[in-house]
Amino acid sequence: TQLLEQSPQFLSIQEGENLTVYCNSSSVFSSLQWYRQEPGEGPVLLVTVVTGGEVKKLKRLTFQFGDARKDSSLHITAAQPGDTGLYLCAGAPGYGQNFVFGPGTRLSVLP
Amino acid sequence: DAGITQSPRHKVTETGTPVTLRCHQTENHRYMYWYRQDPGHGLRLIHYSYGVKDTDKGEVSDGYSVSRSKTEDFLLTLESATSSQTSVYFCAISESSLAGLQTQYFGPGTRLLVL
Repeated sequence: TQLLEQSPQFLSIQEGENLTVYCNSSSVFSSLQWYRQEPGEGPVLLVTVVTGGEVKKLKRLTFQFGDARKDSSLHITAAQPGDTGLYLCAGAPGYGQNFVFGPGTRLSVLP
Repeated sequence: DAGITQSPRHKVTETGTPVTLRCHQTENHRYMYWYRQDPGHGLRLIHYSYGVKDTDKGEVSDGYSVSRSKTEDFLLTLESATSSQTSVYFCAISESSLAGLQTQYFGPGTRLLVL
């Protein structure tokens, strides 16, 4: 069974600080996705990374896929209260196989 | 927005009663999924469907059954609800790009409490 671990599990920071959250596995994934989930809602896709070493930027969010396609990181610059939520990573093992989700990092950005 | 709705959004039921949750999509996606989300476990796949009347089990399928008689509807049934099935249930669809890249989109969820 392929597993994804996320760290930290919880993170509480002040507005304006930078942070990085991690998604790790011992398995290789064909692609990896990051989602943000707000209370009472379903996860919303932020980005998909496909190529080992790939870096994608989405405004203040920077996503990186590890060279070996086993891990990923999400860096947020100058966090804002609107960034508060549960961040989930999900790996696609390969064609025809179902996604594997990590347990999530719950981020709280205090004003 | 992938046009996914779930009903009901909230439900309270008693142990031993049957419960059916409905997922409806408007964009003719072939693949549909049911997940449950519990603290510390993330999203775990219950069942999925790859077409009308084509379904398969996921990681945590015990105690659940599904049906898909139309492309747009995917039903999740708890034949005899137990307290361990108290959870938030999400339906999802997946899209594939020309390059074969899959992307999942989620519905708003159903919060189920089994007393």
